[in-house]
Amino acid sequence: GAGVSQSPSNKVTEKGKDVELRCDPISGHTALYWYRQSLGQGLEFLIYFQGNSAPDKSGLPSDRFSAERTGGSVSTLTIQRTQQEDSAVYLCASSPWTGPTGELFFGEGSRLTVL
Amino acid sequence: AQSVTQLGSHVSVSEGALVLLRCNYSSSVPPYLFWYVQYPNQGLQLLLKYTSAATLVKGINGFEAEFKKSETSFHLTKPSAHMSDAAEYFCAVSQGAQKLVFGQGTRLTINP
Repeated sequence: GAGVSQSPSNKVTEKGKDVELRCDPISGHTALYWYRQSLGQGLEFLIYFQGNSAPDKSGLPSDRFSAERTGGSVSTLTIQRTQQEDSAVYLCASSPWTGPTGELFFGEGSRLTVL
Repeated sequence: AQSVTQLGSHVSVSEGALVLLRCNYSSSVPPYLFWYVQYPNQGLQLLLKYTSAATLVKGINGFEAEFKKSETSFHLTKPSAHMSDAAEYFCAVSQGAQKLVFGQGTRLTINP
């Protein structure tokens, strides 16, 4: 079975441009997460979707960041007016569980480089 | 709020030696704790988790971790390192029902 799929795997953009990163979760997984992994910074929570509930956006670092999840499946993370500090690996994860002990299944990430 | 601290951003051991990766947590409630592993150019994969059952938790690839409330620790160990264990390891704590808070990671290098 397919795992979590993310695209593009690598993205190089110029400062000030907008970028969209896509995540296809495992079929049937109701929970979807976005994390940001910066060098030496570990993983930083960005946003969480669970079914039809309102997303938890508490980790988004600024209003330049937004995400949506269409039809309870595919998710797109959008970064507007990119800055150099946005350079990082953006990881998507999904889970079939709703509780605090469930395993997250991660994609391989989208590496964003802002020049 | 819950948090975890991983001591040592980089650990190097010889093949066959003991692996010890340290994680301390901060939590006002009984925590749920996790170790994830990330191999080069791959996503994270669950190694093991503590969910308030047995304090000694066994995971995949011969790894285990012991929950010690008195020390607020959840260190990861493996008796004998293998070259294939070279990866980055992340400790995490569940913050509420929906999201994990990760440590900064420890890169494990295995010397032949």
